[in-house]
Amino acid sequence: GENVEQHPSTLSVQEGDSAVIKCTYSDSASNYFPWYKQELGKGPQLIIDIRSNVGEKKDQRIAVTLNKTAKHFSLHITETQPEDSAVYFCAASKAGSYQLTFGKGTKLSVIP
Amino acid sequence: NAGVTQTPKFQVLKTGQSMTLQCAQDMNHNSMYWYRQDPGMGLRLIYYSASEGTTDKGEVPNGYNVSRLNKREFSLRLESAAPSQTSVYFCASSEDGNSPLHFGNGTRLTVT
Repeated sequence: GENVEQHPSTLSVQEGDSAVIKCTYSDSASNYFPWYKQELGKGPQLIIDIRSNVGEKKDQRIAVTLNKTAKHFSLHITETQPEDSAVYFCAASKAGSYQLTFGKGTKLSVIP
Repeated sequence: NAGVTQTPKFQVLKTGQSMTLQCAQDMNHNSMYWYRQDPGMGLRLIYYSASEGTTDKGEVPNGYNVSRLNKREFSLRLESAAPSQTSVYFCASSEDGNSPLHFGNGTRLTVT
């Protein structure tokens, strides 16, 4: 089955700096790569996703890049703010699949 | 719109007791899921229902049963709870496979 590795497990940045979280996946048939943000005591919430026919996608301060050859994808957050502090999860799944495989998460702390 | 609603929010069980976790969605989604989240383990899929009337095993189905009661509701049952089932349980829904998941806020279960 699919295996998703996520790094780093914790990340601290100064407010206004950029944060990058990286994930690798094992199944070359995977074609859907979402990112979720989880705040304390709440369920994960989708922040951005990318499909394998696209190399990069942006939404304001958030961007995701995908390298299909190397089987890795990354989340980039620019101009970080304290409200960006949360746990972030990457995930991967194959076309037609209902099984989304998650990474183990990255706890991001933005220091004011 | 409430989105995905889970009940109860908290539960404490003794080993061997049974209980049912309830989940309902009001987004007219076809697919529903149950995940468990353990520290350092990310989210792991227990069972899913691709559409009303169908259910399938995920990554960690042992010790659980599910029922897709109708299009809105998907319940998770623990017949004989074990301490290893202490976890946070999340229900999610999506339009179909390989599409964004919408999560509830979780049920925190402790088995003593």
